[in-house]
Amino acid sequence: AQTVTQSQPEMSVQEAETVTLSCTYDTSESDYYLFWYKQPPSRQMILVIRQEAYKQQNATENRFSVNFQKAAKSFSLKISDSQLGDAAMYFCAYRSGTSGSRLTFGEGTQLTVNP
Amino acid sequence: DTGVSQNPRHKITKRGQNVTFRCDPISEHNRLYWYRQTLGQGPEFLTYFQNEAQLEKSRLLSDRFSAERPKGSFSTLEIQRTEQGDSAMYLCASRRLANTGELFFGEGSRLTVL
Repeated sequence: AQTVTQSQPEMSVQEAETVTLSCTYDTSESDYYLFWYKQPPSRQMILVIRQEAYKQQNATENRFSVNFQKAAKSFSLKISDSQLGDAAMYFCAYRSGTSGSRLTFGEGTQLTVNP
Repeated sequence: DTGVSQNPRHKITKRGQNVTFRCDPISEHNRLYWYRQTLGQGPEFLTYFQNEAQLEKSRLLSDRFSAERPKGSFSTLEIQRTEQGDSAMYLCASRRLANTGELFFGEGSRLTVL
């Protein structure tokens, strides 16, 4: 079974600075998708960024980018120019590209942005 | 597109009672998912539907739990004979059939079992 591990329960960053959230995963598959989701307090989870495993190029979405290291099974999220609105719980998630359709989530990283 | 809607948002019940949650997905989304999230943890998969067919169920979904999506639109999740361990946030999400389809989540239904 696939597992997703986020080793940083909490992180903090100063406004306008850059922060990197870590995620590792375990799988024997070669076709899969990786995601970062953001869950603000008492709000629904929203997709931040997605990476297809077959793509070598790292995904970017405005201030958000990933460092996808397929051999190392690592998928970190970099947030540049951090804003107060980035404060939230961030979840890394895995989905198989071939079998099943479920998302497997990590434990989450609580990000605090200090003014 | 009004997003994924879940009701009720919060349910408080006594142990042993039955509860039902409803999820209305985004209208053109074929796939609908239920997850459970306890405080400080990531969501755990419970089950998913493609249209009206329930295609996968987690071992977390004990025989006290049942989910339906009778007409391939809204879905219900029923928990019978609730236990205190059932207290959690129940999240519904939906997406299109395409493999790259983004998963959209509702705001969740919080269950508190006294």
